[in-house]
Amino acid sequence: KQEVTQIPAALSVPEGENLVLNCSFTDSAIYNLQWFRQDPGKGLTSLLLIQSSQREQTSGRLNASLDKSSGRSTLYIAASQPGDSATYLCAVRFLTGRRALTFGSGTRLQVQP
Amino acid sequence: EAQVTQNPRYLITVTGKKLTVTCSQNMNHEYMSWYRQDPGLGLRQIYYSMNVEVTDKGDVPEGYKVSRKEKRNFPLILESPSPNQTSLYFCASSFKGVGTEAFFGQGTRLTVV
Repeated sequence: KQEVTQIPAALSVPEGENLVLNCSFTDSAIYNLQWFRQDPGKGLTSLLLIQSSQREQTSGRLNASLDKSSGRSTLYIAASQPGDSATYLCAVRFLTGRRALTFGSGTRLQVQP
Repeated sequence: EAQVTQNPRYLITVTGKKLTVTCSQNMNHEYMSWYRQDPGLGLRQIYYSMNVEVTDKGDVPEGYKVSRKEKRNFPLILESPSPNQTSLYFCASSFKGVGTEAFFGQGTRLTVV
């Protein structure tokens, strides 16, 4: 079964810290991987999309890496701010199946001022 | 502004009373889908559509219907809602190429009593 796992489930850090969120997936045959941010009671905001042929993508203070062969991705957030507090979701589009995005359960991040 | 719009944002209804949640996108995307998000279960795909008049089941289609009469709209229909359909629902869209970015609506919080 194709699964996506995110560790840790929750993370609390002081403002200014650099941090890494982890995502692992069970099948290396993927089209792409997408990181989202979800604020409480709100929709999903796309942060970064990494194609299977890419190793990393960057947007501002965010950097996402992809190691397809080991089934892992990381989201690096530099110089964290209280406004970064949210749940971060990793989603994988596997090669086999319905092209649906398979989501991890998310990492709930709290950045303390 | 490119967006996916869902309505209503919040809905409380009674068991058995038919309802429709609308979804509209203005990005000319071919692929649209519906997800539900439940605590501990994450986001799961309900139905998807590859293009006009082409729909298919996702992971959890029971109790739902969809239609795709126009490219921009993809309504979710609950013919006879039950309490286990209380959830947060998201509509998503993307171009049909498998490497493309998915965009999500703001979500519809449905409560069935």
